[in-house]
Amino acid sequence: QVQLQESGPGLVKPSQTLSLTCTVSGGSISSGSYYWSWIRQPAGKGLEYIGRIYTTGSTNYNPSLRSRVTISIDTSKNQFSLKLSSATAADTAVYYCARVDVLTENFQHWGQGTLVTVSS
Amino acid sequence: QTVVTQEPSLSVSPGGTVTLTCGLSSGSVSTRYYPSWYQQTPGQAPRTLIYYADTRSSEVPDRFSGSILGNKAALTITGAQADDESDYYCVLYMGSGIYVFGSGTKVTVL
Repeated sequence: QVQLQESGPGLVKPSQTLSLTCTVSGGSISSGSYYWSWIRQPAGKGLEYIGRIYTTGSTNYNPSLRSRVTISIDTSKNQFSLKLSSATAADTAVYYCARVDVLTENFQHWGQGTLVTVSS
Repeated sequence: QTVVTQEPSLSVSPGGTVTLTCGLSSGSVSTRYYPSWYQQTPGQAPRTLIYYADTRSSEVPDRFSGSILGNKAALTITGAQADDESDYYCVLYMGSGIYVFGSGTKVTVL
């Protein structure tokens, strides 16, 4: 059974870059059957799509975040990563990584989520 | 900007039936948007209930069903149980790698 685990600093200073990594186990990130995605959720609010990456390195981003987001993939480590630049308090949220099925566009497996707080 | 609409909250009696809907601010929802539904309980990651409008994910009880009703996607819980009390999110695929989440529906079983 595939598992995803987010990791990274829980506290980021304003204007700095928020960086997270998602480690995939129980399956290969090189599979052509999936996209690898990031989603976030501020406390008490709904889910927001950040972006996705394919095994080839091809990316797509939420237009509202596109200018600040970079998602990358490291197939040798079975990991993919998120960088969000110029962080502000509005970026404080639980960040989830997820696997998305290419054929059904289903966010079928999720990490447990990690809380990132942007504060000085 | 595309907005995906959901009822903010709904209530259902134990054993009762409730239908949640997922619409678009402009236009109709169809299978071309690959509508999917997720259940989230407090402190937990979401889990898939329904994908491609009406396909139930593995290990999801059959009291959950998905459909297209008129111009919206719908999630119906038939025979609601206490542990169905959760937040439910729909997601639509807009093409070009863009997904839009609805704002969620809080379902109360009482």
